[in-house]
Amino acid sequence: AQTVTQSQPEMSVQEAETVTLSCTYDTSESNYYLFWYKQPPSRQMILVIRQEAYKQQNATENRFSVNFQKAAKSFSLKISDSQLGDTAMYFCAFMKHSSGTYKYIFGTGTRLKVLA
Amino acid sequence: GAGVSQTPSNKVTEKGKYVELRCDPISGHTALYWYRQSLGQGPEFLIYFQGTGAADDSGLPNDRFFAVRPEGSVSTLKIQRTERGDSAVYLCASSLLGRTTSGANVLTFGAGSRLTVL
Repeated sequence: AQTVTQSQPEMSVQEAETVTLSCTYDTSESNYYLFWYKQPPSRQMILVIRQEAYKQQNATENRFSVNFQKAAKSFSLKISDSQLGDTAMYFCAFMKHSSGTYKYIFGTGTRLKVLA
Repeated sequence: GAGVSQTPSNKVTEKGKYVELRCDPISGHTALYWYRQSLGQGPEFLIYFQGTGAADDSGLPNDRFFAVRPEGSVSTLKIQRTERGDSAVYLCASSLLGRTTSGANVLTFGAGSRLTVL
């Protein structure tokens, strides 16, 4: 069974600084997707960034980038130039798409607080 | 619709009662997912549908929980004989599936239904 581990329950960062959130996963699959989702205090979960396992190039979305280390099964999120609006829970998620299964497994989350 | 809609947004019920939570996914999304999220925790998988059928219901905790999606669009999560431990936020998400479809395999979430069992 796939598992997703986020070892940092809480983190804080000064506004305009850079922060990295960690995520590791366990799977025997070779084809899968990895995601970072953000959940602000308002509760609605939104996609931050996604990575397809067969792509070696790390995904980037504006201030958000990932460091995908497939052999190490590591998928960290880097937030550059942190903004107050980045304050939220961040969840790492894994989805395999072999055998017609599209099931997403989430980590326990990291609560990020951006300080003014 | 433009987004995933969940109703009710809040539901307070008494132990032993029956509740239904509704999810209206994005039009055209073939996959629909139900998750349960307790305070300070990550979403816990319950069930997902591809079209009208449940493709994986391995996360349903017991036979008090049941979900349907009769026409491949709206889904209802049904909880019988509610217990205090069922209190949580129930999240619904939908997505397109496929390896090549643009935007596929990205979950779009609703705002959730907060269930409180007294």
